[in-house]
Amino acid sequence: DQQVKQNSPSLSVQEGRISILNCDYTNSMFDYFLWYKKYPAEGPTFLISISSIKDKNEDGRFTVFLNKSAKHLSLHIVPSQPGDSAVYFCAASAHTGANSKLTFGKGITLSVRP
Amino acid sequence: ETGVTQSPTHLIKTRGQQVTLRCSSQSGHNTVSWYQQALGQGPQFIFQYYREEENGRGNFPPRFSGLQFPNYSSELNVNALELDDSALYLCASSGPGTLYNEQFFGPGTRLTVL
Repeated sequence: DQQVKQNSPSLSVQEGRISILNCDYTNSMFDYFLWYKKYPAEGPTFLISISSIKDKNEDGRFTVFLNKSAKHLSLHIVPSQPGDSAVYFCAASAHTGANSKLTFGKGITLSVRP
Repeated sequence: ETGVTQSPTHLIKTRGQQVTLRCSSQSGHNTVSWYQQALGQGPQFIFQYYREEENGRGNFPPRFSGLQFPNYSSELNVNALELDDSALYLCASSGPGTLYNEQFFGPGTRLTVL
């Protein structure tokens, strides 16, 4: 039973346009959400996060939106750059703190065309 | 500041053998989590070690075991290897000063079981 779902396996966008990556979750106990980016032969790199008490968090070109009632979050990248091409994982945890386990989705492969 | 390192990078074993994977946490981090990433899947939580004690475990059989040492480095041991154990094994560290639930990942060890 997958608690974090990334239903679109891939996304292709033109350089300069917006990339929207979606994620759904089923566990109501999740209260913190993170996005990680992964390049081949490297470990996942933290990108941005959001607490369940917020509905938006922005960091430069990256914005994460959280809709708790729909159990849905999305990552917006504006403008998209070729260097953003990577696998993006949505992750969730059930309590804050360094000792929380992360539950990941399957990932979305983003390709940004020059 | 040294990031999370893992060794070896790649490993090939045969079914029934035992394997030990190693992880050095980022400086100042006292918590290490291990994840298994099968092909086409997101990382799946195996277990976490905090101050040398197991602090949570995912849905993995007892033949997956671990250790954390006083310097917070960690080992993942897998006994009686099965073909389905072939995966990328990721180690992540976190601790005091870590932003919320952010975990810092190493590059992983690619295990192939023949």
